[in-house]
Amino acid sequence: QQQVKQSPQSLIVQKGGISIINCAYENTAFDYFPWYQQFPGKGPALLIAIRPDVSEKKEGRFTISFNKSAKQFSLHIMDSQPGDSATYFCAASRNNFNKFYFGSGTKLNVKP
Amino acid sequence: GAVVSQHPSWVICKSGTSVKIECRSLDFQATTMFWYRQFPKQSLMLMATSNEGSKATYEQGVEKDKFLINHASLTLSTLTVTSAHPEDSSFYICSAQRLAGLGGEQYFGPGTRLTVT
Repeated sequence: QQQVKQSPQSLIVQKGGISIINCAYENTAFDYFPWYQQFPGKGPALLIAIRPDVSEKKEGRFTISFNKSAKQFSLHIMDSQPGDSATYFCAASRNNFNKFYFGSGTKLNVKP
Repeated sequence: GAVVSQHPSWVICKSGTSVKIECRSLDFQATTMFWYRQFPKQSLMLMATSNEGSKATYEQGVEKDKFLINHASLTLSTLTVTSAHPEDSSFYICSAQRLAGLGGEQYFGPGTRLTVT
């Protein structure tokens, strides 16, 4: 059973637009939700993360929105740039358990 | 801060030989390290969780005798692929966790591309 479901699988956005990637989870014990960015042939890099005590977290052009009742969280990339073209993974983990459950990934292509 | 290195970045080996991949946390101590495998255009598949000074915990379906993990210190974990076969060819990525038991951030290494001929 997939613990974290991510959509869409791929996304094309024009430069300057907003990219939105969504994730949903089942386990209400999850309490840490990071987003990772991965370029081809590289390891994932931590972008931004949120805990369920807040509904939104913003770092620069990246914002996580968190809806605890719906068990959903999303990544918004404002003013998307061609350099943002990468694969994005959401993940979730549970306090006192180190294991991360990753989404299936979203390949973002920002067109100039 | 929070830099994780892997060595080698890529390796080609012959079928039947063993390959060792190192994962180091360069500027922090990691009580827990993780080993993942990633196939092209797919998500990360957790292979095992490694805690310093204790035996690794393997995920279901991962052969512990084939993928040997040693977490010798708070900054070094190694993955040895024993008797490698072409189907073991993959992108192997490690991650290190800064805070144990608190859902702490995982920082990933750059990955190791293994090709078995």
